[in-house]
This record gives sequence, C-alpha cells and structure tokens, in this order.
Amino acid sequence: KNEVEQSPQNLTAQEGEFITINCSYSVGISALHWLQQHPGGGIVSLFMLSSGKKKHGRLIATINIQEKHSSLHITASHPRDSAVYICAVRLYAGGTSYGKLTFGQGTILTVHP
Amino acid sequence: ETGVTQSPTHLIKTRGQQVTLRCSSQSGHNTVSWYQQALGQGPQFIFQYYREEENGRGNFPPRFSGLQFPNYSSELNVNALELDDSALYLCASSISPSTYNEQFFGPGTRLTVL
Repeated sequence: KNEVEQSPQNLTAQEGEFITINCSYSVGISALHWLQQHPGGGIVSLFMLSSGKKKHGRLIATINIQEKHSSLHITASHPRDSAVYICAVRLYAGGTSYGKLTFGQGTILTVHP
Repeated sequence: ETGVTQSPTHLIKTRGQQVTLRCSSQSGHNTVSWYQQALGQGPQFIFQYYREEENGRGNFPPRFSGLQFPNYSSELNVNALELDDSALYLCASSISPSTYNEQFFGPGTRLTVL
C-alpha cells in the first residue's frame, strides 16, 4: 500500500462544476503539498498545509491531521484547470526529516467547455 | 528573481551511456532536491543536496549521483543507463532543508533511453 493515496485517479467535469480531489496518507507528516502539473511536465506548487484550510482564488485546500486526509477543491472549474493534481507529503521522521517529499500518483482532471 | 531552471529540456541516450542533467536553483535557495517521474506515476525522491553535501537519499542505486556547486546549482549524473531510467527528471529548490519550507520545481528534463 502506498503511503500517499489519491482519489479519484481520473476526473472529468463540465465547466463550472465544483471539483474535489482527495488525498489520504498513512504516516505522520510535517506538511502536505498540493501541486499542479501540466502536459510537458512543469510542476507548480499550489498549497503547502500543516493544518486547517487555505484558499487562493478558486482553489481551496483543507487538511485533517487526525484523520490523515486532505482535499483540494476547485470552484467554478474552467478548461484551463485541466492538469494533473498531485498530493505530496513530508514525512516526519523523529526530527530528522530533511524535506523529502513522498508523492501520490496524481489525479488527471479534464474540464470540458 | 529567476525561478528554477533545468537543462537540457529533452535528451535521448542509449543503454549503457552516461548522462548529466543540470539544475539552477532559485535565487537565495541553498537546497536542491532531485526527483524521477516515470510515465503515469508520481515523482520519486532521488536525493537532496544542501550546501554542497548530500543531505538525504531515496531508494536509488549508486549509479545515480549528484553534485552541488558553490552557487548552489546542481547536477544529476546517471551512469550505465538502463531502459527503465527513461523518465522526467525534476529538480526543486528551497531556501533550506527545513520540512516547513516550500519547494519550487523546475520544468524538468525528459530523458529517453533507447
């Protein structure tokens, strides 16, 4: 079992829909990242969370440390949101964590006009 | 402030050859991490360099090696290339190795091994 699991693996939506992507992890973490990867490969960091909720424009990220779960929400989705969304965690290793990221497998989002 | 850059963008090699990939960190960042992303998979951590020293390593064989220079740019070297080394190689820089610092990713180098 992977330490970081994302669902769904593929998501298709119509423009304007509200989208939720989920991430579950099985170990203690010091921080969780949501990343966006467009075709061609470049990765953009959307959020880094260690507790609570963050909002940037139409994007909202939440994390529940007790349940080891995070969600990324996109409101009023648009075709330009089509990308791979990746959840990554920084494992906490007794104070010796050096910032290594462990990634989920990604969620492929396609938003149709 | 320039972002993280990587070169080359694409590279084709044959099995058994050696390759060097380069990464320039964002201004003010002293830590560089390298990741391998196979097609359809999430990235896997290769290693991290902090102030010119290796600061952590993932589950990759010794033929994957690296360097960090005094200006904090970094190289990833892969010897004796295998077909399975075909992947997108990403580097990310951060202001320090602290787990609470954000990592900024470069555009990646796509390596194809024939």
